[in-house]
Amino acid sequence: EPEVTQTPSHQVTQMGQEVILRCVPISNHLYFYWYRQILGQKVEFLVSFYNNEISEKSEIFDDQFSVERPDGSNFTLKIRSTKLEDSAMYFCASSPRGTDYGYTFGSGTRLTVV
Amino acid sequence: SQQGEEDPQALSIQEGENATMNCSYKTSINNLQWYRQNSGRGLVHLILIRSNEREKHSGRLRVTLDTSKKSSSLLITASRAADTASYFCATDANTGGFKTIFGAGTRLFVKA
Repeated sequence: EPEVTQTPSHQVTQMGQEVILRCVPISNHLYFYWYRQILGQKVEFLVSFYNNEISEKSEIFDDQFSVERPDGSNFTLKIRSTKLEDSAMYFCASSPRGTDYGYTFGSGTRLTVV
Repeated sequence: SQQGEEDPQALSIQEGENATMNCSYKTSINNLQWYRQNSGRGLVHLILIRSNEREKHSGRLRVTLDTSKKSSSLLITASRAADTASYFCATDANTGGFKTIFGAGTRLFVKA
């Protein structure tokens, strides 16, 4: 069964450093998403991406965040200057038809900012 | 806010019993989805019910939707220890397929 692949599974970074979280969505999917989940809390929407541009973003997704689809397979989330409160699980998801279809989630990247 | 809110926050049952989780939301939707998350792992899509549907089944799962009350329920019949997980409802924001918002989830613990 097709999977969404995320790397790395765990990243530890110093406060103020830049991090790039990587995702390989399912190949025939057209809609891509990033969510985050602070330990034990709800899954929060960050951004959606369709047709090579951001479709919608939340208030969490400020100027420190950016997304890119540099080639036909990868989808990345960059945090320019990490803060302690950015520590969370970050999940990538993809869908063939947007919200009209179930999302396939990756296993997540646990980001720890120290 | 578009968010779904699940009830109860936590549920503990014996293997073989049925588990019912509820979700309420605040605005109109095109569809509502349920997901499962095993501890610390990614979410797995379980079922999607559209706003013009009232009930949907998938194996041991039964989902109902009442758009007049803006609520949904997920019933897991004959639960197993492997059903132990967090269950989330999620609603679309009717924005052309660009955002699905998740509730806080119900933690289900099934005792063997």
